[in-house]
Amino acid sequence: DAGITQSPRYKITETGRQVTLMCHQTWSHSYMFWYRQDLGHGLRLIYYSAAADITDKGEVPDGYVVSRSKTENFPLTLESATRSQTSVYFCASSESTQWYEQYFGPGTRLTVT
Amino acid sequence: AQKITQTQPGMFVQEKEAVTLDCTYDTSDPSYGLFWYKQPSSGEMIFLIYQGSYDQQNATEGRYSLNFQKARKSANLVISASQLGDSAMYFCAMREIHNAGNNRKLIWGLGTSLAVNP
Repeated sequence: DAGITQSPRYKITETGRQVTLMCHQTWSHSYMFWYRQDLGHGLRLIYYSAAADITDKGEVPDGYVVSRSKTENFPLTLESATRSQTSVYFCASSESTQWYEQYFGPGTRLTVT
Repeated sequence: AQKITQTQPGMFVQEKEAVTLDCTYDTSDPSYGLFWYKQPSSGEMIFLIYQGSYDQQNATEGRYSLNFQKARKSANLVISASQLGDSAMYFCAMREIHNAGNNRKLIWGLGTSLAVNP
């Protein structure tokens, strides 16, 4: 299917475990983003990528790792999950032209117990 | 300092009436874009409308229009003829062009929850 997909949609994990959230887009968009959404904070940027093999930190990168070996994939890894990382995670993509809007995936609801 | 401010945490509107959702922003960048997104209870983020800082006319997309007042730094969303399906969270966001450098990130407000009453 065309678009941007995230997996899993729901995940429960324990403190200290490593978790990887997957993001896949079929548009060949250059830019990809990871946001987390928390009540009272809105959406906050974790990491972004301007192209394959180019990634950079956003506002709240601590505790997260990203990679982008292929244009279409942008996985987000929580190296050692903490309760404060319980959140809804959104992946987004955007064309390189700067004025284009970002297209969002459906989100992953992560609970760390 | 908050760069995007949405002062209305919750709004109610009667079906078929128009409603305005407020958004003010703060930037020193002369080039920026303003976006509105809708997030229904199902959780996905849906792009609604975009306004560029140099656009001379207010953006419109179907029942959505953006009341852009540059001097006041406001970008209010107007939804005409509200429908029950418009009940959702609405987020205002901004992208700075020069200040952000290569970072194409969106800066988000905290959202306004809109409930459309039948």
